[in-house]
Formats: sequence, structure tokens, C-alpha cells
Amino acid sequence: AQSVTQLGSHVSVSEGALVLLRCNYSSSVPPYLFWYVQYPNQGLQLLLKYTSAATLVKGINGFEAEFKKSETSFHLTKPSAHMSDAAEYFCAVRGAQKLVFGQGTRLTINP
Amino acid sequence: DSGVTQTPKHLITATGQRVTLRCSPRSGDLSVYWYQQSLDQGLQFLIQYYNGEERAKGNILERFSAQQFPDLHSELNLSSLELGDSALYFCASSVAQVWTEAFFGQGTRLTVV
Repeated sequence: AQSVTQLGSHVSVSEGALVLLRCNYSSSVPPYLFWYVQYPNQGLQLLLKYTSAATLVKGINGFEAEFKKSETSFHLTKPSAHMSDAAEYFCAVRGAQKLVFGQGTRLTINP
Repeated sequence: DSGVTQTPKHLITATGQRVTLRCSPRSGDLSVYWYQQSLDQGLQFLIQYYNGEERAKGNILERFSAQQFPDLHSELNLSSLELGDSALYFCASSVAQVWTEAFFGQGTRLTVV
């Protein structure tokens, strides 16, 4: 069965600093991987997805993620954090007929 | 705006009661997925419908049921409610039967008192 593990339930960075949110996956088949963002009182919004094409995936709002098969990782990065990036971020892997989500990482941006 | 509409946005009800949550998918989307989000369990997949037929079932309690109607909207019925059923319930819709890119509604926050 497919699963993902997000390392760190809370991450805090300063405005302008690098954002790095970690995600490791487990999958018995070539994975389809996703990052979603959830702002307070909102639904989940797709940031980016990996579907076995390029290993470096660019998403919305300046985010990108790199698929590393050898490390079974799909970490999310953004070079310079903005206050508006404060939200909860979810890594997910496609399972049979559904998406399996990690527990989420809450990102806090310090002024 | 994702194009997925969920109603109501908030629902407060007593234990033992029954409620119905509604989801209207994006125009043209045939798949509807239901998820439950709670602090202790995170995002849990409940059930998927595709073009009116149940396609996949997850951690859905027997007290819960769902259906998708000919106009493709879906309803999630929760009965004999317990305090632990308090959660955010999301639906997501996609064109295909297999998850390629799905769009989430804003959710229904259910509070059982």
C-alpha cells in the first residue's frame, strides 16, 4: 500500500528565508506524488504534482519539488518565504482509486 | 474558487441525529471523493463515486453512507452521530476515475454536541 510521511508537523522560517518541507513516500509502483496547501478555513489547493515526467516539478506561488527515487523523497521548497505562505501543507501519493495524505506540516512565517 | 460547491459550510447538531452533506462537482467532472479531516486522524479517505457508481471505499463507518445522483452531485449521509464525528468533511471532484488532478471544495464543518 502507498503511504507518505511528512517530517516535522511544524516548521517555522523567517520571511525571505528558504522553505523546506520534507516528504518521504512508500509505494510498490512508480508513484504519482502531490503537494497540496490548505489556508485557514479553506479547502485544499493543488500546489504541484509529479507524474513520472521531469523529476523537478514547478508549481504555483514559487514552490517546487524534486522527486528522488533513491531517497524515496519528494521535498517541497521555495527560495524565499513570504508571509502569505503561512498555511498547512500536505504531501500525498496516489493509491488505488484515492489519494493518501500525510499528516501535514504547518508552516509559520516570522516577520 | 475551485468550482466544487459544498453545502452547508457549517453544521451543528446533537448526538444521535442524522445529517446530509451535499457536494456539487465541477462542471464535467464525473468522480467525487469524500474525505474526513480531523485533528487526530488527519485526512482520511471515505468513499469515491464515478458517474453514479461506487468505485472505492475507505475508512467509512457503517453509520455513514453516500450516493451520487444522475446530475452527478453527491450526498454524504451521517447517522447516529457521535461526538467523535465532529470534523471537516471535504469532497473533491475530478474528470477521470483515477486520481490525476482533483479539486477540493471548501468543506463542511460538522460539530456534534
